Amino acid sequence: AQKITQTQPGMFVQEKEAVTLDCTYDTSDPSYGLFWYKQPSSGEMIFLIYQGSYDQQNATEGRYSLNFQKARKSANLVISASQLGDSAMYFCAMRGPGFQKLVFGTGTRLLVSP
Amino acid sequence: DAGITQSPRYKITETGRQVTLMCHQTWSHSYMFWYRQDLGHGLRLIYYSAAADITDKGEVPDGYVVSRSKTENFPLTLESATRSQTSVYFCASSGRAGNTGELFFGEGSRLTVL
Repeated sequence: AQKITQTQPGMFVQEKEAVTLDCTYDTSDPSYGLFWYKQPSSGEMIFLIYQGSYDQQNATEGRYSLNFQKARKSANLVISASQLGDSAMYFCAMRGPGFQKLVFGTGTRLLVSP
Repeated sequence: DAGITQSPRYKITETGRQVTLMCHQTWSHSYMFWYRQDLGHGLRLIYYSAAADITDKGEVPDGYVVSRSKTENFPLTLESATRSQTSVYFCASSGRAGNTGELFFGEGSRLTVL
């Protein structure tokens, strides 16, 4: 079975600083995809970044990067130069090859202070 | 506008009543999903569908029924609502199977069962 673990219920960071949100995963499938979603206070789920299990390089999307360490089964999200608008709930998720569903972690709430 | 829409956005009902949450997507995505979001649990999969007339149970299917007679619609029915079904429900769709396709989420339906 697939499992995602996010051990940080909440994180605080000052504006313009970088922050790392932790995510570890467990799967026996060699092929899988890892995703990060952002959920602001308005409630919608916003896709941020994707990393495939066979990708050699870490994924990047603007200020977001995914620190993928396959041997450790971790897929941490790094947000550089935090902005006030980054304050939100962040979910790590995984999707495998043989089924279509996305399995989510419990999320990390990020607060960015001025 | 193209996208995925849920209705109603807010619903209050009483224990024992039947409730149907609607989900409509305009992308002709094959895969559709229903998740519920509860504090401390992240998003948990209720049901998913790989195509019209093909549905399968997720992690927490008890008390819910789905149907998918048309590709674009995926209604979720609570046959006899219980207080434990008070939650925020998200519908999602994906155009790709396997691990490379992100899910696109609707705005959510907040259901309160009194």
